[in-house]
Parts: sequence; structure tokens; C-alpha cells
Amino acid sequence: QKEVEQNSGPLSVPEGAIASLNCTYSDRGSQSFFWYRQYSGKSPELIMSIYSNGDKEDGRFTAQLNKASQYVSLLIRDSQPSDSATYLCAVMAYTGGFKTIFGAGTRLFVKA
Amino acid sequence: EAQVTQNPRYLITVTGKKLTVTCSQNMNHEYMSWYRQDPGLGLRQIYYSMNVEVTDKGDVPEGYKVSRKEKRNFPLILESPSPNQTSLYFCASAQGAKNIQYFGAGTRLSVL
Repeated sequence: QKEVEQNSGPLSVPEGAIASLNCTYSDRGSQSFFWYRQYSGKSPELIMSIYSNGDKEDGRFTAQLNKASQYVSLLIRDSQPSDSATYLCAVMAYTGGFKTIFGAGTRLFVKA
Repeated sequence: EAQVTQNPRYLITVTGKKLTVTCSQNMNHEYMSWYRQDPGLGLRQIYYSMNVEVTDKGDVPEGYKVSRKEKRNFPLILESPSPNQTSLYFCASAQGAKNIQYFGAGTRLSVL
């Protein structure tokens, strides 16, 4: 069974701090990695995608991928109360089909 | 406006009464997918489709059917719904193998 694991949280950080969200995955054939944000009662929306080892930055968000350790993370700098949401890690492997496996999500609270 | 449209948004039905949840996208995406979301379990993929007439099972296909007769539409069919299919359902679409997925607003289904 291919798995994606996330700490369910809640993760609580003060406004302006760095929030660090982590995700591990079990399928070494995974090639595409995504972070989605989901507000309560809403649909997931893409925050970051990453496909190769290293860091990828987009504004206040940085995704980090380490395929050898099967680990992907999301850093949110200068966290804002509007960042309070559930963050979903998603992994897609191209072997045996194109399934997408989501983690159960990490709830983030940013305190003003 | 680029969007994924699901209907209905809310549905209450009874055990065994066949139902269809429609999904349509206007982005000419090849890849479409259905997920269910349950508390503590995150998003789990039901079925996905790589293109017209090409569908494949996700992780939780039992009790569901899909069809992809047109590129824009990907309906989810529950032939004989049961209470354990009470859930929040999301349709998503994506273009190409990198599969950044765009989600519909969700359908909340209750099976009594």
C-alpha cells in the first residue's frame, strides 16, 4: 500500500513566524509532489508543486524535496492568520498508473 | 472562467437508490479524477481518467462507477449507495503528466 504520512497537528505558530510542514512517502517511484491548502468547507487549492530534489521558492512559500529520504516539506515564512488552514501533501507516481495519494493533512493555526 | 463544476453540491438519498454526481471542466484537461474526503483520512482517490474512454481505479473504487465519453465530463455513479458512502466528494482535472489538479467545489452526500 503506497502511503503518504503527515503530522495531523494542529501546528500553532505566532504571526510572522516560519511554519514548517512535513510529509513522507513510501513509493520510491513517486515523481510529482504537491502541496495543497484547504480551508474549512472549501476545496483544495494548489500552493506548490515540486518535481526534482532541492528547494523551490514562490513568494513566502518554499517546498523542499529529498527523494533519497522520501521526504517533502513546505515552509511558510512570515506566517499570517490567513494561512490558517489544512495543508495536504500529495504524491503521484507514474509506475502502475497515475494514482494520486494524499496525506491526511496538517492543520495549521497562525495566532495573531 | 476556468473551472471544474460539480452537481449537485448537496445530496441526501436513501440506501439503494442509484445516483449520479456530474463533473464538467472547461479547460480541455485530459486527466480527471474523483476523490472522497472523510475526517482523519484525507482525500482518497476513487477513479481517475487519463483521457476519453480511459479510466482506472484509484484506492477506493468499490461501490462506484465512472465513465468518460467526452473529454469535459466525468460523472460518478453510485449504483446502490450505502451509508458508508456518506462523504464529501471532489472532482478534479489536470493537464498533462505533471498533474497540477484543479478541484471542483465538492458534493456533500448523505446516504440514509
